[in-house]
Amino acid sequence: AQSVTQLDSHVSVSEGTPVLLRCNYSSSYSPSLFWYVQHPNKGLQLLLKYTSAATLVKGINGFEAEFKKSETSFHLTKPSAHMSDAAEYFCVVSDSSARQLTFGSGTQLTVLP
Amino acid sequence: DAGITQSPRHKVTETGTPVTLRCHQTENHRYMYWYRQDPGHGLRLIHYSYGVKDTDKGEVSDGYSVSRSKTEDFLLTLESATSSQTSVYFCAISGDYYEQYFGPGTRLTVT
Repeated sequence: AQSVTQLDSHVSVSEGTPVLLRCNYSSSYSPSLFWYVQHPNKGLQLLLKYTSAATLVKGINGFEAEFKKSETSFHLTKPSAHMSDAAEYFCVVSDSSARQLTFGSGTQLTVLP
Repeated sequence: DAGITQSPRHKVTETGTPVTLRCHQTENHRYMYWYRQDPGHGLRLIHYSYGVKDTDKGEVSDGYSVSRSKTEDFLLTLESATSSQTSVYFCAISGDYYEQYFGPGTRLTVT
């Protein structure tokens, strides 16, 4: 069985400061991991993905995430927040033996001016 | 953006009525999925399909059925809608590395 825990349901940062959204996972197999972003009343957009290649993954809009197997973590970071980053972010794990995703419950990111 | 459309985008229906939501893709992907999104629950899988006429249940399949008669279309049916099925429904298709691409969603309200 696989699971995902997003450690913060809400994160607030000031514009121009770093962003850290935390995610821990549990998986019996070598996992694929993803971060998705959802802006209000929109669908989910893939930010980045880890699929057992480089452990530091770069995504769109300046986001990146580092896969740490020893810590079972896949935290999302961005050096400098922008107002347009305000959205809900989902950490997602896929069991490599099946084509099903398990979603975290989401982290709402607020960016303050 | 992946070529995924959902129809209708919004629907209000009464308890006990049947409802069908449609997902259409232009990517020719084999795998298609239906999720529901509710506050505090992230997305939960209802049903998925791994080919024409090949479907399977997800985590929250009770009260829902699906059909896939063509590669490009995946239908979700609520046989008799209940208020607990008020939700936002997302369709997704699967890419090469198991990532999924999502449609714009359908907001369903059951009164």
